Amino acid sequence: QQQVKQSPQSLIVQKGGISIINCAYENTAFDYFPWYQQFPGKGPALLIAIRPDVSEKKEGRFTISFNKSAKQFSLHIMDSQPGDSATYFCAAKEGTYKYIFGTGTRLKVLA
Amino acid sequence: GAGVSQSPSNKVTEKGKDVELRCDPISGHTALYWYRQSLGQGLEFLIYFQGNSAPDKSGLPSDRFSAERTGGSVSTLTIQRTQQEDSAVYLCASSLTMVQGVTQYFGPGTRLTVL
Repeated sequence: QQQVKQSPQSLIVQKGGISIINCAYENTAFDYFPWYQQFPGKGPALLIAIRPDVSEKKEGRFTISFNKSAKQFSLHIMDSQPGDSATYFCAAKEGTYKYIFGTGTRLKVLA
Repeated sequence: GAGVSQSPSNKVTEKGKDVELRCDPISGHTALYWYRQSLGQGLEFLIYFQGNSAPDKSGLPSDRFSAERTGGSVSTLTIQRTQQEDSAVYLCASSLTMVQGVTQYFGPGTRLTVL
């Protein structure tokens, strides 16, 4: 059973557009929600993260929106650039150490 | 300083053979994690270490999988009697502690192919 459901599986956006990736979870015990960016042949790298007591966090062109009541959170990439083309993973932290990852979204930004 | 390194970067083995995958975490990082990334799937948590201890091994897929960490640094993930379903990218990550909000730094992974 997928504890963190991520959509869409793939996404194509024009340069300058907004990329939106969504994640939903069931376990209300999750207490930390990071997003990772992964380029081919590389390990994932932390992009931005949010705690459940905050509804939005913005860092540059990247924003997380968090809806605790709906148990959903999303990543928005403003002014998307070809260099943003990568696979994005949402994750949720359970307990002290365990991270549950979504299945990933492959983003392609067209020049 | 140097990031997390893993070796080998690629490993091709025959079904039934044993393999060892190595992870060198960032110096001073006490927490170390192993994940498995199968094609088209997210990252599957396998095991974590705090220092040399692995309090929870429940993420390991079967008793063919084992891991150890020595000197609070290097970790080895061993898969015995490999099966084709073990083919995946095995990722290692380390962090300064396990405290919430502390960044996990991932290595580039070892791509394992079992023929």
